[in-house]
Amino acid sequence: DAMVIQNPRYQVTQFGKPVTLSCSQTLNHNVMYWYQQKSSQAPKLLFHYYDKDFNNEADTPDNFQSRRPNTSFCFLDIRSPGLGDAAMYLCATSGARNEQFFGPGTRLTVL
Amino acid sequence: QQQVKQSPQSLIVQKGGISIINCAYENTAFDYFPWYQQFPGKGPALLIAIRPDVSEKKEGRFTISFNKSAKQFSLHIMDSQPGDSATYFCAATSGTYKYIFGTGTRLKVLA
Repeated sequence: DAMVIQNPRYQVTQFGKPVTLSCSQTLNHNVMYWYQQKSSQAPKLLFHYYDKDFNNEADTPDNFQSRRPNTSFCFLDIRSPGLGDAAMYLCATSGARNEQFFGPGTRLTVL
Repeated sequence: QQQVKQSPQSLIVQKGGISIINCAYENTAFDYFPWYQQFPGKGPALLIAIRPDVSEKKEGRFTISFNKSAKQFSLHIMDSQPGDSATYFCAATSGTYKYIFGTGTRLKVLA
């Protein structure tokens, strides 16, 4: 089945220790997104790619970076995680029909 | 103008009852309105979506009603089941690939 895959599902890191979350898709969608979701809140868009064009949200902290080396893969780098960065990180994709599909998420814990 | 207002924040329904969640928007450029279902610890799953050229779309027990003049859309869950207990998010997007999410509704269906 075509899908959005995120690894790892759970990530524990220490305060200030860089961490990378990964996302892959088999949908061949042009657009890939990274969202941050804290408990009981709506997903908050961090950035998205249209093909290789990177679109950063104005309020996304510089601590968050992203890479998209090819259509299938996208990475979220958190350079110096703080306690406030503990959250669920969701990857999503969108294609020509505008339908957006989410991955299962990575739960990040910062100690 | 970019907001999507969702209500109620929480909803308790008896098994077999009808659950109704409402959303309102301002931006008339929005042309795609999805609903997502999210279970705890999981990514949001696309449930049903509508485009403004129709006033209603039904898929099984789930129906979207769309009122273009009032700029409102709603999700109706018929014959609600305990397994429907989840958080529901409405969303809206135009051709920019950015999705604007409602604040979410936590639904609990009592057995």
